[in-house]
Amino acid sequence: EVQLLESGGDRVQPGGSLRLSCAASGFTFTYYAMSWVRQAPGQGLEWVSSIGGNDGGTYYADSVKGRFTVSRDNSKNTFYLQMNSLRADDAAVYFCARGILGGSFDNWGQGTLVTVSS
Amino acid sequence: SYVLTQPPSVSVAPGKTARISCGGNNIGSKSVHWYQQKPGQAPVLVIYYDTDRPSGIPERFSGSNSENTATLTISRVEAGDEADYYCQVWDSSSDQYVLGTGTKVTVL
Repeated sequence: EVQLLESGGDRVQPGGSLRLSCAASGFTFTYYAMSWVRQAPGQGLEWVSSIGGNDGGTYYADSVKGRFTVSRDNSKNTFYLQMNSLRADDAAVYFCARGILGGSFDNWGQGTLVTVSS
Repeated sequence: SYVLTQPPSVSVAPGKTARISCGGNNIGSKSVHWYQQKPGQAPVLVIYYDTDRPSGIPERFSGSNSENTATLTISRVEAGDEADYYCQVWDSSSDQYVLGTGTKVTVL
């Protein structure tokens, strides 16, 4: 059974930093691209970032480019989102999701909440 | 950047058919995926590559994609289908995923 478990969500001040993690199990981790998708309170889904499987290519939404960095540790079946220079509009539930790069997100975690407030 | 436009809401009576549109420039040339999200839950993939259903998704869910509009169709709607639905594509010109604005389906 595919399982994705996010962690690291917290309350942080504007301008601060946070690192989210997503631990994966139940599948061959290196075969898949992994992505972060966020949802602000009462709003729709917004894709944030993705990282390829074996090649580790990285992709970012314009809204986070230059502030967020996605990475993965295939030895730990875990991938990460380093978030710097956080702004109020980054506050959201952050979901991790599995997929084939350029395709669909076929499995999702339950999400971790990031609050940006002074 | 590429934009996907969905109607904010669709209302449908039980047993009837709901159709949710997803508009985008020449979207027929892209692969469209659809997600269902119920309150407080993570999204679930219901249609991928325009028309395919993941295992466990009822046959009542189907998809189509042509020219500038993709459509998710839910036949014989049930109360449990009440949820938000999102379309999604990969924009190869920018190497970015794009998600639609979302449609809230209400079962009357």
